[in-house]
Amino acid sequence: GENVEQHPSTLSVQEGDSAVIKCTYSDSASNYFPWYKQELGKRPQLIIDIRSNVGEKKDQRIAVTLNKTAKHFSLHITETQPEDSAVYFCAAGGSSYKLIFGSGTRLLVRP
Amino acid sequence: DVKVTQSSRYLVKRTGEKVFLECVQDMDHENMFWYRQDPGLGLRLIYFSYDVKMKEKGDIPEGYSVSREKKERFSLILESASTNQTSMYLCASSLPTGPVGEKLFFGSGTQLSVL
Repeated sequence: GENVEQHPSTLSVQEGDSAVIKCTYSDSASNYFPWYKQELGKRPQLIIDIRSNVGEKKDQRIAVTLNKTAKHFSLHITETQPEDSAVYFCAAGGSSYKLIFGSGTRLLVRP
Repeated sequence: DVKVTQSSRYLVKRTGEKVFLECVQDMDHENMFWYRQDPGLGLRLIYFSYDVKMKEKGDIPEGYSVSREKKERFSLILESASTNQTSMYLCASSLPTGPVGEKLFFGSGTQLSVL
């Protein structure tokens, strides 16, 4: 069935360094790829998304890249700050009403 | 600002009980979803609804049912709660923009413990 694999499951970086989280999807019909951030005890919130007609999208310190041929997409966070510490979820959708989520990456930014 | 409200933040129930989880959104969204969140498994879709009285099974519908009698309200029902249904339950809503869900607005979640 449809599947989204997300790596790594945990990531620890020094403040100011970059962080990269990678996802691979199985459904070649997928054409929408959002990223959600969930801070401790809070609800997931959309931070950035990309559709299959573009290869890269940036929003300040965060960017997402998409490689449709290889069926993978990545989240890049530059100049990390302690408030970036959270669980990040990737997701893929397109062939139905539903999104398939990855298993999540716990990012810790050390001051 | 979109508000998705789940009726309970924490809930403790006994095995075999019938459990109702309620979700209300105030932005006239057509689509509503129920996910469960478990460590290491991400968010898994239980059921979704794209219109009043319409429902579709997600990836893990077994042991659950849903009700959408009004556009703003989407209820998740555990017919006979079991310990393996102990989890965080998240409701979400979105506008319809075609087959793919647009930005999801999540509720704050209900942590259900079944003893």
